[in-house]
Amino acid sequence: QQQVKQSPQSLIVQKGGIPIINCAYENTAFDYFPWYQQFPGKGPALLIAIRPDVSEKKEGRFTISFNKSAKQFSLHIMDSQPGDSATYFCAASKVGSSNTGKLIFGQGTTLQVKP
Amino acid sequence: KAGVTQTPRYLIKTRGQQVTLSCSPISGHRSVSWYQQTPGQGLQFLFEYFSETQRNKGNFPGRFSGRQFSNSRSEMNVSTLELGDSALYLCASSQLGRRFFGQGTRLTVV
Repeated sequence: QQQVKQSPQSLIVQKGGIPIINCAYENTAFDYFPWYQQFPGKGPALLIAIRPDVSEKKEGRFTISFNKSAKQFSLHIMDSQPGDSATYFCAASKVGSSNTGKLIFGQGTTLQVKP
Repeated sequence: KAGVTQTPRYLIKTRGQQVTLSCSPISGHRSVSWYQQTPGQGLQFLFEYFSETQRNKGNFPGRFSGRQFSNSRSEMNVSTLELGDSALYLCASSQLGRRFFGQGTRLTVV
């Protein structure tokens, strides 16, 4: 029940394409769903996050779509650039009012954007 | 604001030794959590501290321990190192649920 399943494991798109990364969770108590971007040799950087009371959130070229009934959420990267080539992780957490709680991460998706 | 600072960046230790890793959170953040990242297991939660109290603990053996000081800085300790402890250890500080990671400490056990 604690798992977060992420797909695909790797993804190659052309510059300007829209890569989509999907995640599914089981624990309905999760109430915070962030996406992280990680470059080699660096720590994960928070990209965008969503709470289950909204179905979509956009920040710049990054969009999260959230389907509470299906227990799925996805990351879309609009007008992808070679600089977006990185590993992307989805995560889920039961934060609640305490704003604490462990993050359960997906296994990661390695994205390559070709020029 | 300065980001999360982890020291040292790289460590090489021998099996059986112990190691202490340090994390300075973003100024004003009172919550610090630790994660282990390996190619096989991905990112796994170790523990979380808030105002010097451990709030959550992951499924790691007792050789892994941590603490948080009154200035919110945190340390984690691994005793009796095993080869399988080789990993990137990441510290995250958080505020209002948003977690920001440091660059990590790369630990190699030989």
